Amino acid sequence: EAGVAQSPRYKIIEKRQSVAFWCNPISGHATLYWYQQILGQGPKLLIQFQNNGVVDDSQLPKDRFSAERLKGVDSTLKIQPAKLEDSAVYLCASSSFLRQAGSYNEQFFGPGTRLTVL
Amino acid sequence: GQQVMQIPQYQHVQEGEDFTTYCNSSTTLSNIQWYKQRPGGHPVFLIQLVKSGEVKKQKRLTFQFGEAKKNSSLHITATQTTDVGTYFCAGSNAGGTSYGKLTFGQGTILTVHP
Repeated sequence: EAGVAQSPRYKIIEKRQSVAFWCNPISGHATLYWYQQILGQGPKLLIQFQNNGVVDDSQLPKDRFSAERLKGVDSTLKIQPAKLEDSAVYLCASSSFLRQAGSYNEQFFGPGTRLTVL
Repeated sequence: GQQVMQIPQYQHVQEGEDFTTYCNSSTTLSNIQWYKQRPGGHPVFLIQLVKSGEVKKQKRLTFQFGEAKKNSSLHITATQTTDVGTYFCAGSNAGGTSYGKLTFGQGTILTVHP
Protein backbone atom coordinates (compact mmCIF):
# COMPACT_ATOMS: atom_id res chain seq x y z
CA GLU A 1 0.00 0.00 0.00
CA ALA A 2 1.41 3.37 -1.02
CA GLY A 3 1.87 5.88 1.77
CA VAL A 4 1.07 9.57 1.98
CA ALA A 5 2.91 11.49 -0.73
CA GLN A 6 4.11 15.06 -0.36
CA SER A 7 5.99 17.46 -2.59
CA PRO A 8 8.28 19.23 -2.69
CA ARG A 9 10.49 17.73 0.03
CA TYR A 10 12.44 20.96 0.51
CA LYS A 11 11.75 24.59 -0.29
CA ILE A 12 13.77 27.74 0.35
CA ILE A 13 12.13 31.11 -0.20
CA GLU A 14 12.58 34.69 0.88
CA LYS A 15 10.15 36.39 3.22
CA ARG A 16 7.07 37.87 1.56
CA GLN A 17 7.22 35.27 -1.22
CA SER A 18 4.52 32.66 -1.79
CA VAL A 19 4.82 28.89 -1.55
CA ALA A 20 2.53 25.91 -2.07
CA PHE A 21 2.72 22.35 -0.83
CA TRP A 22 0.95 19.32 -2.25
CA CYS A 23 -0.29 16.18 -0.53
CA ASN A 24 -1.81 12.95 -1.82
CA PRO A 25 -3.25 10.82 0.98
CA ILE A 26 -3.50 7.05 1.22
CA SER A 27 -6.13 5.79 -1.21
CA GLY A 28 -9.55 5.64 0.40
CA HIS A 29 -8.67 7.83 3.38
CA ALA A 30 -11.39 10.42 3.79
CA THR A 31 -9.70 12.50 6.48
CA LEU A 32 -6.68 14.65 5.69
CA TYR A 33 -4.65 16.79 8.07
CA TRP A 34 -2.01 19.49 7.62
CA TYR A 35 0.41 20.00 10.50
CA GLN A 36 3.20 22.49 11.13
CA GLN A 37 6.18 21.13 13.05
CA ILE A 38 8.68 23.69 14.24
CA LEU A 39 12.09 22.32 15.18
CA GLY A 40 12.05 20.81 18.66
CA GLN A 41 8.25 20.84 18.96
CA GLY A 42 5.40 18.45 18.35
CA PRO A 43 3.22 18.74 15.26
CA LYS A 44 0.53 21.45 15.46
CA LEU A 45 -2.68 20.91 13.52
CA LEU A 46 -3.35 23.65 10.98
CA ILE A 47 -6.39 22.28 9.18
CA GLN A 48 -8.39 19.07 8.94
CA PHE A 49 -10.58 17.95 6.06
CA GLN A 50 -13.22 15.22 6.02
CA ASN A 51 -13.64 14.45 2.32
CA ASN A 52 -13.59 17.95 0.79
CA GLY A 53 -15.10 19.77 3.77
CA VAL A 54 -13.16 21.60 6.47
CA VAL A 55 -13.69 20.07 9.93
CA ASP A 56 -11.23 22.19 11.90
CA ASP A 57 -9.12 25.18 10.92
CA SER A 58 -9.02 26.94 14.27
CA GLN A 59 -5.22 27.14 14.32
CA LEU A 60 -4.74 28.15 10.69
CA PRO A 61 -3.41 31.73 10.29
CA LYS A 62 -6.04 32.62 7.76
CA ASP A 63 -4.52 35.98 6.86
CA ARG A 64 -1.66 34.19 5.11
CA PHE A 65 -2.41 30.45 4.99
CA SER A 66 -4.99 28.74 2.83
CA ALA A 67 -5.74 25.13 2.00
CA GLU A 68 -8.07 23.28 -0.30
CA ARG A 69 -9.10 19.74 -1.09
CA LEU A 70 -11.34 20.22 -4.08
CA LYS A 71 -12.14 16.65 -5.10
CA GLY A 72 -11.82 15.06 -1.69
CA VAL A 73 -8.50 13.42 -2.56
CA ASP A 74 -5.30 15.44 -2.81
CA SER A 75 -4.78 18.77 -1.12
CA THR A 76 -2.67 21.91 -1.37
CA LEU A 77 -1.52 24.23 1.41
CA LYS A 78 -0.44 27.73 0.46
CA ILE A 79 1.38 30.46 2.35
CA GLN A 80 1.18 34.00 1.00
CA PRO A 81 3.15 35.99 2.02
CA ALA A 82 5.65 33.93 4.00
CA LYS A 83 7.25 35.18 7.22
CA LEU A 84 10.47 34.09 8.88
CA GLU A 85 8.52 32.29 11.62
CA ASP A 86 6.90 30.03 9.01
CA SER A 87 10.15 28.09 8.73
CA ALA A 88 9.14 24.57 9.72
CA VAL A 89 8.34 21.12 8.41
CA TYR A 90 4.82 20.88 6.98
CA LEU A 91 3.40 17.42 7.47
CA CYS A 92 0.38 15.96 5.76
CA ALA A 93 -1.42 13.03 7.35
CA SER A 94 -4.46 10.97 6.51
CA SER A 95 -6.76 8.55 8.26
CA SER A 96 -9.76 6.45 7.33
CA PHE A 97 -13.28 7.84 7.56
CA LEU A 98 -14.36 9.08 10.97
CA ARG A 99 -18.01 8.25 11.39
CA GLN A 100 -18.95 10.71 14.09
CA ALA A 101 -17.68 13.50 16.27
CA GLY A 102 -15.49 12.23 19.07
CA SER A 103 -14.20 9.30 17.04
CA TYR A 104 -10.55 8.74 16.18
CA ASN A 105 -8.28 6.63 13.99
CA GLU A 106 -4.53 6.34 13.68
CA GLN A 107 -2.97 8.90 11.41
CA PHE A 108 -0.48 8.09 8.67
CA PHE A 109 2.05 10.82 8.01
CA GLY A 110 3.83 11.78 4.82
CA PRO A 111 7.57 12.59 4.69
CA GLY A 112 6.91 16.33 5.06
CA THR A 113 8.11 19.47 3.30
CA ARG A 114 10.91 21.36 5.00
CA LEU A 115 10.38 25.09 4.43
CA THR A 116 13.12 27.62 5.06
CA VAL A 117 12.18 31.31 4.89
CA LEU A 118 15.13 33.68 4.58
CA GLY B 1 -7.30 25.30 24.90
CA GLN B 2 -6.09 21.81 25.57
CA GLN B 3 -2.44 21.41 26.51
CA VAL B 4 -0.41 18.21 26.49
CA MET B 5 2.90 18.22 28.33
CA GLN B 6 5.62 15.59 28.17
CA ILE B 7 8.57 14.96 30.44
CA PRO B 8 11.44 14.62 30.24
CA GLN B 9 12.36 16.66 27.17
CA TYR B 10 15.55 14.63 26.68
CA GLN B 11 16.72 11.24 27.92
CA HIS B 12 20.14 9.72 27.35
CA VAL B 13 20.55 6.07 28.28
CA GLN B 14 23.08 3.29 27.88
CA GLU B 15 21.93 0.42 25.72
CA GLY B 16 20.15 -2.08 27.92
CA GLU B 17 18.80 0.50 30.39
CA ASP B 18 15.11 1.20 30.73
CA PHE B 19 13.37 4.40 29.58
CA THR B 20 10.10 6.06 30.55
CA THR B 21 8.35 9.16 29.20
CA TYR B 22 5.30 10.74 30.82
CA CYS B 23 2.44 12.64 29.27
CA ASN B 24 -0.02 14.92 31.09
CA SER B 25 -3.09 16.65 29.70
CA SER B 26 -4.78 19.75 31.08
CA THR B 27 -8.16 18.20 30.22
CA THR B 28 -9.73 14.74 30.28
CA LEU B 29 -9.01 12.82 27.10
CA SER B 30 -11.15 10.56 24.94
CA ASN B 31 -8.10 8.67 23.82
CA ILE B 32 -4.37 9.01 23.62
CA GLN B 33 -2.09 7.96 20.81
CA TRP B 34 1.68 7.49 20.81
CA TYR B 35 3.94 8.19 17.84
CA LYS B 36 7.66 7.72 17.20
CA GLN B 37 9.68 10.01 14.96
CA ARG B 38 13.14 8.91 13.92
CA PRO B 39 15.74 11.64 13.28
CA GLY B 40 14.91 13.24 9.93
CA GLY B 41 11.74 11.19 9.62
CA HIS B 42 8.03 11.60 10.11
CA PRO B 43 5.81 10.50 13.01
CA VAL B 44 4.81 6.85 12.91
CA PHE B 45 1.84 5.53 14.88
CA LEU B 46 2.67 3.15 17.73
CA ILE B 47 -0.54 2.60 19.68
CA GLN B 48 -3.88 4.01 20.82
CA LEU B 49 -5.30 3.83 24.35
CA VAL B 50 -8.99 4.43 24.97
CA LYS B 51 -10.09 2.96 28.31
CA SER B 52 -9.38 4.33 31.77
CA GLY B 53 -6.45 2.46 33.34
CA GLU B 54 -5.68 0.63 30.10
CA VAL B 55 -2.29 -1.07 29.73
CA LYS B 56 -0.98 -2.33 26.40
CA LYS B 57 2.29 -4.02 25.54
CA GLN B 58 4.24 -4.25 22.31
CA LYS B 59 7.30 -6.43 22.85
CA ARG B 60 9.59 -4.24 25.02
CA LEU B 61 7.19 -1.26 25.04
CA THR B 62 4.49 -0.82 27.71
CA PHE B 63 1.85 1.89 27.41
CA GLN B 64 -0.46 3.01 30.21
CA PHE B 65 -3.47 5.32 30.32
CA GLY B 66 -4.27 6.87 33.68
CA GLU B 67 -7.44 6.18 35.63
CA ALA B 68 -8.57 9.77 35.22
CA LYS B 69 -7.69 9.70 31.51
CA LYS B 70 -5.49 12.78 31.92
CA ASN B 71 -2.08 11.13 31.85
CA SER B 72 -0.19 8.38 30.11
CA SER B 73 3.24 6.80 30.05
CA LEU B 74 5.46 4.83 27.71
CA HIS B 75 8.07 2.50 29.18
CA ILE B 76 10.76 0.76 27.15
CA THR B 77 12.57 -2.15 28.75
CA ALA B 78 16.20 -2.83 27.87
CA THR B 79 16.63 -0.11 25.26
CA GLN B 80 18.33 -0.83 21.95
CA THR B 81 19.98 1.55 19.50
CA THR B 82 16.97 1.10 17.23
CA ASP B 83 14.82 2.83 19.87
CA VAL B 84 16.50 6.17 19.15
CA GLY B 85 14.04 8.91 18.20
CA THR B 86 11.45 11.31 19.55
CA TYR B 87 8.38 9.86 21.23
CA PHE B 88 5.19 11.93 21.09
CA CYS B 89 1.94 11.47 22.88
CA ALA B 90 -1.16 13.01 21.28
CA GLY B 91 -4.60 13.29 22.83
CA SER B 92 -8.17 13.96 21.77
CA ASN B 93 -10.57 15.86 24.03
CA ALA B 94 -13.33 14.00 25.81
CA GLY B 95 -16.78 15.08 24.66
CA GLY B 96 -15.31 17.08 21.84
CA THR B 97 -17.09 17.80 18.62
CA SER B 98 -13.95 17.49 16.55
CA TYR B 99 -13.33 14.47 14.38
CA GLY B 100 -10.10 12.94 15.59
CA LYS B 101 -8.31 16.22 16.30
CA LEU B 102 -5.07 15.46 18.10
CA THR B 103 -3.04 17.75 20.33
CA PHE B 104 0.58 16.63 20.40
CA GLY B 105 2.99 16.96 23.29
CA GLN B 106 6.41 18.43 22.64
CA GLY B 107 7.99 15.00 22.64
CA THR B 108 10.80 13.22 24.49
CA ILE B 109 14.05 12.81 22.58
CA LEU B 110 15.68 9.47 23.37
CA THR B 111 19.32 8.78 22.62
CA VAL B 112 20.85 5.37 23.27
CA HIS B 113 24.58 4.93 23.71
CA PRO B 114 25.90 1.52 22.62
